[in-house]
Amino acid sequence: GIQVEQSPPDLILQEGANSTLRCNFSDSVNNLQWFHQNPWGQLINLFYIPSGTKQNGRLSATTVATERYSLLYISSSQTTDSGVYFCAVGPGTASKLTFGTGTRLQVTL
Amino acid sequence: EAGVTQFPSHSVIEKGQTVTLRCDPISGHDNLYWYRRVMGKEIKFLLHFVKESKQDESGMPNNRFLAERTGGTYSTLKVQPAELEDSGVYFCASNPLGTGNYGYTFGSGTRLTVV
Repeated sequence: GIQVEQSPPDLILQEGANSTLRCNFSDSVNNLQWFHQNPWGQLINLFYIPSGTKQNGRLSATTVATERYSLLYISSSQTTDSGVYFCAVGPGTASKLTFGTGTRLQVTL
Repeated sequence: EAGVTQFPSHSVIEKGQTVTLRCDPISGHDNLYWYRRVMGKEIKFLLHFVKESKQDESGMPNNRFLAERTGGTYSTLKVQPAELEDSGVYFCASNPLGTGNYGYTFGSGTRLTVV
């Protein structure tokens, strides 16, 4: 099956810093999503981005499908950004997703 | 718009007992998915409904797990009999068909502890 690798596994930032999270996947996909799992365990959808670039406030994401990677950018990080960020991929728009192991982000004051 | 609702939020049962988890997707979302995260490992797919039909159940671990979605609305996931290794967080997600925005909306999960 498809493999999804995320890096770095852990990241500690000071509030206000910027960061880039990476997701590599082993096969072509038609579905790629980024999620944030907050400290209460809830999975929040950040982006549906099988290709191209999207921005939402301080967050943006870019997927280069031909090179099988996606990047999540967090600018001016805040303590509320803490949690685990997951990349998940799938073959179609309504299909099972394979999740990466996540990047655990801690933003400190 | 109400989100994906799951209950119970927590369940503690003894090994050998039966537990039923429920998921109410966003109204109008024909796709409904079950996932679980056990022992701090990766989030793993269990199965996918399109309306009331099972589209893909390749992730169901064994025949102790039974999922239903009668009428194509809410879904239940029954574990019978529960084993210790079934402990974990069970997530439900939904997304619509054919709208162009295929991002999944996840519920808050049910934390199942089997003792």
